[in-house]
Amino acid sequence: EVQLEESGGGLIKPGGSLRLSCAASGFTFSNAWMNWVRQAPGRGLEWVGHIKSKADGATTDYAAPVKGRFTISRDDSKNTLLLQMNSLKTDDTAVYYCTTGLLFGGQGTLVTVSS
Amino acid sequence: DIQMTQSPSTLSASVGDRVTITCRASQSITDWLAWYQQKPGKAPKLLIYKASSLESGVPSRFSGFGYGTDFTLTISSLQPDDFATYFCQQYSSFSRTFGQGTKVEIK
Repeated sequence: EVQLEESGGGLIKPGGSLRLSCAASGFTFSNAWMNWVRQAPGRGLEWVGHIKSKADGATTDYAAPVKGRFTISRDDSKNTLLLQMNSLKTDDTAVYYCTTGLLFGGQGTLVTVSS
Repeated sequence: DIQMTQSPSTLSASVGDRVTITCRASQSITDWLAWYQQKPGKAPKLLIYKASSLESGVPSRFSGFGYGTDFTLTISSLQPDDFATYFCQQYSSFSRTFGQGTKVEIK
C-alpha cells in the first residue's frame, strides 16, 4: 500500500523560506515520478511541480506561480521527497500534498504565510 | 496550460439519486483524466483513472466516461458516504491541472 507522509509545514512570514519533506513507503520510490500538489483553504487543487526518477534524468518541472522560487529534489537512499520554498508569499498558504502517479497518500502539511 | 472546467460547482441530491458531474478540457487530453473524491480534512481519493477505469476498491456505482475534451463522472445511486467534493484532473501534460470541484450536498 502506498504511504506518503508530509511534514515541515508551519507559520512563516512573507519572504521567508521553508522546506517540506515527504516520506514514502509501500512502493519503489526510486522508480517513481513524484509530484507536489497544494490546496489553499477552501479552494481547489493546484499542481506545484514534479520530479522524474533518476533513471529518467531526475528533471523537474514547475507551475508558473512557483517557478524560480520553489525547488523539488529527492533522496532515493531515504525514500524522501523534498520541496524547498523560498521567497514565500501569502498566496502560497495551502495544504501541501506529495503524490505518486495519481495517488495522494498523506494528510498533507499546512503552510501558512502571514505577517 | 490545459484548463479544466467542471460543472456544476454544487449539486444537491438525495440518497438513491443518480448524479452526473461534467468536466471539459480546453484541448484534447484523449483519455488522460482522473476523478477524485475529497472529504473535509482528508486527502483526495482516486476513484477513476484513464477516464473510465475504476480504481481498485472503489464501489461499482461510480463510473466515468468520455474522450477528447468532454468527460463525466456518474454515481448511479447516491449513498450517504458519497456526500463529498469531487475533482477531475488531466494528466495529459506534465503541468497537470484540476477542475474547480463539485460539492455534492444532501438535498
